[in-house]
Amino acid sequence: KAGVTQTPRYLIKTRGQQVTLSCSPISGHRSVSWYQQTPGQGLQFLFEYFSETQRNKGNFPGRFSGRQFSNSRSEMNVSTLELGDSALYLCASSLEGLAGYNEQFFGPGTRLTVL
Amino acid sequence: AQTVTQSQPEMSVQEAETVTLSCTYDTSESDYYLFWYKQPPSRQMILVIRQEAYKQQNATENRFSVNFQKAAKSFSLKISDSQLGDAAMYFCAQVETSGSRLTFGEGTQLTVNP
Repeated sequence: KAGVTQTPRYLIKTRGQQVTLSCSPISGHRSVSWYQQTPGQGLQFLFEYFSETQRNKGNFPGRFSGRQFSNSRSEMNVSTLELGDSALYLCASSLEGLAGYNEQFFGPGTRLTVL
Repeated sequence: AQTVTQSQPEMSVQEAETVTLSCTYDTSESDYYLFWYKQPPSRQMILVIRQEAYKQQNATENRFSVNFQKAAKSFSLKISDSQLGDAAMYFCAQVETSGSRLTFGEGTQLTVNP
């Protein structure tokens, strides 16, 4: 069974631009969560989507948004990029989204650099 | 709000030796799960071990075991017979039973010396 895939793996943008990251979960998984990893803030939860609905959201500004499609693939969008948005963005999928009961499988991440 | 703290930014161990990574957490929930994740240089997060808070028995996975002290809110990871492939960043994480967001600690960078 294929693992979680994220595209692109690397991305360079300039301030003010917007970016869209994609995540394809493991087949059969209906929950997709997104995390931001930076040296200063560590790993922080962005949001979780389950059956095309945002079920949980972290403390990030409205510039960060996401969506999930009927095939469970998810995209996250960051508008008006800031230097501080430079980070590794990790996507994780699980069967039902309850991390305690269902293991979250992580993708390799997308490294976003904002210049 | 849940918090997870790893007080050891870096640790090192000799190959074949044992090392213990520390983690403390804080939560108002009575039922939750705790995890140790490994992140090698490839950046792929890999689940190492999981502990359910209502289980008093410490979880074990091959060379990896935990010391779960619920009253002290402590959750340490012991790696026995350390191997070069164990070198990675290790994250402690916690989630409430009904939740879906993982709260991570700051991470401990483990170096394994040959």
